[in-house]
Amino acid sequence: QVQLVESGGGVVQPGRSLRLSCEASGFTFSNFGMHWVRQAPGEGLEWMAVISFQGTNAYYGDSVKGRFTISRDNSKNTLYLQMNSLRPEDTAMYYCAKVRDSSSWNEAFDIWGQGTMVTVSS
Amino acid sequence: DIQMTQSPSSVSAAVGDRVTITCRASQDISSWLAWYQQKPGKAPKLLMYAASSLQSGVPSRFRGSGSGTDFTLTISSLQPEDFATYYCQQANSFPITFGQGTRLEIK
Repeated sequence: QVQLVESGGGVVQPGRSLRLSCEASGFTFSNFGMHWVRQAPGEGLEWMAVISFQGTNAYYGDSVKGRFTISRDNSKNTLYLQMNSLRPEDTAMYYCAKVRDSSSWNEAFDIWGQGTMVTVSS
Repeated sequence: DIQMTQSPSSVSAAVGDRVTITCRASQDISSWLAWYQQKPGKAPKLLMYAASSLQSGVPSRFRGSGSGTDFTLTISSLQPEDFATYYCQQANSFPITFGQGTRLEIK
């Protein structure tokens, strides 16, 4: 069964750091680009970051550029999001997502995790 | 950045109705458009990719069309399980952007 399972969310104070993980199973993780998408409570979807299948290239959304870092460990079938200098506006459900087609990393997302909630509050 | 604008923001319809949601891109994205369905408390689910390709397992009452800047998602005969929020997404270039969502409610 193709599956993504996020973990690492929680309540954190402004200015602190948190690392999210996304464990993949049921597919060849190392063949696919991977993304992080977030959704603030009651709001729409916001794309955060992408990493290429080998982990050598990444792009970020403007709201997190310079603060968040996406990475992956293909030997562990795991995607990461290191979040530094967290702000209250980073409060959201964070989803990892797999691209549908291994030949492209800017593609539709066919598999999503269940999400992990991050709350930034003092 | 490419802006994605959906309309309407919300729509009320009855079971069996036909509903159309539109999505407009601020610049040409060819057919690099996807549609997602999201139910409360759940992750989004891919419905359509490449503007008009139906994702495996998605009922054929869902149909996507368009290219360039104007796209539509049509649900031909609404079923109870279709009441949800729908998002379009452009995958033409980074940053990937989503529409603001269309909430489909039961009339």
